[in-house]
Amino acid sequence: NAGVMQNPRHLVRRRGQEARLRCSPMKGHSHVYWYRQLPEEGLKFMVYLQKENIIDESGMPKERFSAEFPKEGPSILRIQQVVRGDSAAYFCASSPSGIKGPQHFGDGTRLSIL
Amino acid sequence: GQQLNQSPQSMFIQEGEDVSMNCTSSSIFNTWLWYKQEPGEGPVLLIALYKAGELTSNGRLTAQFGITRKDSFLNISASIPSDVGIYFCAGHPPSAGGTSYGKLTFGQGTILTVHP
Repeated sequence: NAGVMQNPRHLVRRRGQEARLRCSPMKGHSHVYWYRQLPEEGLKFMVYLQKENIIDESGMPKERFSAEFPKEGPSILRIQQVVRGDSAAYFCASSPSGIKGPQHFGDGTRLSIL
Repeated sequence: GQQLNQSPQSMFIQEGEDVSMNCTSSSIFNTWLWYKQEPGEGPVLLIALYKAGELTSNGRLTAQFGITRKDSFLNISASIPSDVGIYFCAGHPPSAGGTSYGKLTFGQGTILTVHP
């Protein structure tokens, strides 16, 4: 998974705290996607962003979750007031093109809520 | 929403055997991709398919995009212990305008175990 960098790899938060997950796409990629994976399940789409724009957020919960991909810097997935059900692995992928460019994934952030 | 049904859920095979897994959907997909995921890591792209009927190989791996655009299979020949992992199919569903957007839909995965 060289290229797509996610940090932190592991994040522990207490209920009610905020979690910030970062993703730097592969060089030359301007399209970023966030997915969530629960244990023993496939990945579920959350949000698709290009630089400074949210293209599709149909998979993201309406409350407490937000995402951004600023002109400079990494994409951020932000979860406010975390609850136990937010515990999951969160993966970021990037592609050079939103239509056909295959998505390449980072190694994910494992979020644990105490 | 669109779903991908992947089978089998798990496979236990001997080293050297061939493996076949598939993915089906009740609705069409514009692309099909196959990924492999190992514990603690993200999915790694194995093969990408863009046209109905397309057959593509990557070393010991072969995958096909079904003619109906509703299915795909992945074959692994002469399996080796490092083939162990979870294999996911994924696809781009058509958007409302008929073109693909970035959102990928994933199957539930096939867990492959290879005994030496």
